[in-house]
Amino acid sequence: AQKITQTQPGMFVQEKEAVTLDCTYDTSDQSYGLFWYKQPSSGEMIFLIYQGSYDEQNATEGRYSLNFQKARKSANLVISASQLGDSAMYFCAMREGASYDKVIFGPGTSLSVIP
Amino acid sequence: EPEVTQTPSHQVTQMGQEVILRCVPISNHLYFYWYRQILGQKVEFLVSFYNNEISEKSEIFDDQFSVERPDGSNFTLKIRSTKLEDSAMYFCASSAKHLSNQPQHFGDGTRLSIL
Repeated sequence: AQKITQTQPGMFVQEKEAVTLDCTYDTSDQSYGLFWYKQPSSGEMIFLIYQGSYDEQNATEGRYSLNFQKARKSANLVISASQLGDSAMYFCAMREGASYDKVIFGPGTSLSVIP
Repeated sequence: EPEVTQTPSHQVTQMGQEVILRCVPISNHLYFYWYRQILGQKVEFLVSFYNNEISEKSEIFDDQFSVERPDGSNFTLKIRSTKLEDSAMYFCASSAKHLSNQPQHFGDGTRLSIL
């Protein structure tokens, strides 16, 4: 079974608009962390934002915010005021309490920002 | 801002040859990781390393793979006898603490092409 699901293989958004990238996860652990990474076409992996399973408030980091719905096991990334430089692959990832070692990645969503 | 450094950025190797991918983690980090991303696919965990030993490895990390921290700064991944299917982007990552809320900071990756 997939641990991380990202149902949108590709998304388009108009410049300056907001966009939501979906992520659902599967874990039986009570303690876990959820991350979003950005991978531009140049290939590097850039950490964007983190949400802990015990955090009561949704994480925010500049133009990025995480819509965390624990009961639904979803952790959607919201990018406000999209910029052309936001065009990239976005990966949702999880680090489970049972294994503090590995980060499990979803398949990614390709975001294209249209001028 | 401190960053994870990987060399080379691109490595081309004949099938059956040994290859060593190099990484310099962030200086005060203690936990080190290797991931790989086959073109067009998701990022997969290979191995984690702490206190000079492997703490977890995936089924991908078979006897052909090894990791080493030969000195206080470098962290290497060796593939002994490369196969065509080893062609991928290899990412090194490091984190400061072994907790689910600590992000792993990734290097820019080494693109390995096996001919």
